[in-house]
Amino acid sequence: GQQLNQSPQSMFIQEGEDVSMNCTSSSIFNTWLWYKQEPGEGPVLLIALYKAGELTSNGRLTAQFGITRKDSFLNISASIPSDVGIYFCAGLNSNSGYALNFGKGTSLLVTP
Amino acid sequence: KAGVTQTPRYLIKTRGQQVTLSCSPISGHRSVSWYQQTPGQGLQFLFEYFSETQRNKGNFPGRFSGRQFSNSRSEMNVSTLELGDSALYLCASSLGQGQGETQYFGPGTRLLVL
Repeated sequence: GQQLNQSPQSMFIQEGEDVSMNCTSSSIFNTWLWYKQEPGEGPVLLIALYKAGELTSNGRLTAQFGITRKDSFLNISASIPSDVGIYFCAGLNSNSGYALNFGKGTSLLVTP
Repeated sequence: KAGVTQTPRYLIKTRGQQVTLSCSPISGHRSVSWYQQTPGQGLQFLFEYFSETQRNKGNFPGRFSGRQFSNSRSEMNVSTLELGDSALYLCASSLGQGQGETQYFGPGTRLLVL
């Protein structure tokens, strides 16, 4: 599989700020997934996107499936300390297999 | 519904040994995928099983193998362990039936090879 380009690599923000991260690929996907991972744990699914142009929210999180099918972004509004963790994007094209292709992650630190 | 479970959670082995890791998927899920996570390489796909058949395989040496049982539980095996095999091994389960695919991860097995 390919490694996706995820940016930024890390973010250090104050509580209450909004956060934006994105992911790009050289291949098209029919599914984009966003996960959060905390130390010692497996990735936890935050948002799943299945259609180009789709915009989906989960509480303070909003993600979009890019219309080119090669990119996606995740926004977190009004960040809180428990948002700390590593956020991963993952793309999948189920027409060519079920392997998720991951970005390298965005490490988020939130200060009170 | 219970989530994905993995056993053991932690494992210490020495070079040359072999190891078997176990994964129980979410009830009703027939696909189990395995990933290796390391600080340098990130999350990399090992293989995926669906209905006891390996459907996809990543770019790992033959020392890495797996299988799936009729109840969808899966095991992966690593033979002749090397220091570089130290990693977090994650399994993910899904329905495995085309578009709309969503993979849910277990807590992982952390393997340390000495």
